[in-house]
Amino acid sequence: QQQVKQSPQSLIVQKGGISIINCAYENTAFDYFPWYQQFPGKGPALLIAIRPDVSEKKEGRFTISFNKSAKQFSLHIMDSQPGDSATYFCAASLILTGGGNKLTFGTGTQLKVEL
Amino acid sequence: ETGVTQTPRHLVMGMTNKKSLKCEQHLGHNAMYWYKQSAKKPLELMFVYSLEERVENNSVPSRFSPECPNSSHLFLHLHTLQPEDSALYLCASSLRTGGLHEQYFGPGTRLTVT
Repeated sequence: QQQVKQSPQSLIVQKGGISIINCAYENTAFDYFPWYQQFPGKGPALLIAIRPDVSEKKEGRFTISFNKSAKQFSLHIMDSQPGDSATYFCAASLILTGGGNKLTFGTGTQLKVEL
Repeated sequence: ETGVTQTPRHLVMGMTNKKSLKCEQHLGHNAMYWYKQSAKKPLELMFVYSLEERVENNSVPSRFSPECPNSSHLFLHLHTLQPEDSALYLCASSLRTGGLHEQYFGPGTRLTVT
């Protein structure tokens, strides 16, 4: 019920191409869906996030598409660059009654952008 | 210092040792979190503190003991760990109410249990 499924596990894209990572969830109580980017030796960095009442959000080259009825969301990286090579995690959030929120993460996608 | 800092960055400890991980946030947040990141597994939430009160314990073994003395500092006390506890331990912080509860992570402590 709490699981978030992420695919693909790894992805190789040519420079300038579009990278697409998909996630699916089961729990309709999730109220916020962030994406994180993690480089080796670093902590995850918040990249972009969306609420379920919005179907798409764009920030620069990064776009989240959200399909509430299918319980799926995806990250699109336009004009992918070698510097985008990292591990990407989707997550889903539940507000905690005591304050704060609980993030459930996908298993991650290792993206490599080749020249 | 800005953002979320963690010390030490690397730690090697024996199974009988006692050590502590420290996290400090400089973002004015009032909720703090501990996560465990193991190879080939999703990040796992361990503990959540809101206004220094523990609001979530995600079935974590008692050999991990968190402490939150104030809204800027979070500790994870470790004792009699097992080799399978070797992982990257990440601290995060957020606002406890309002907005999207965006969580910001520190760089992590790489723990190796020998």
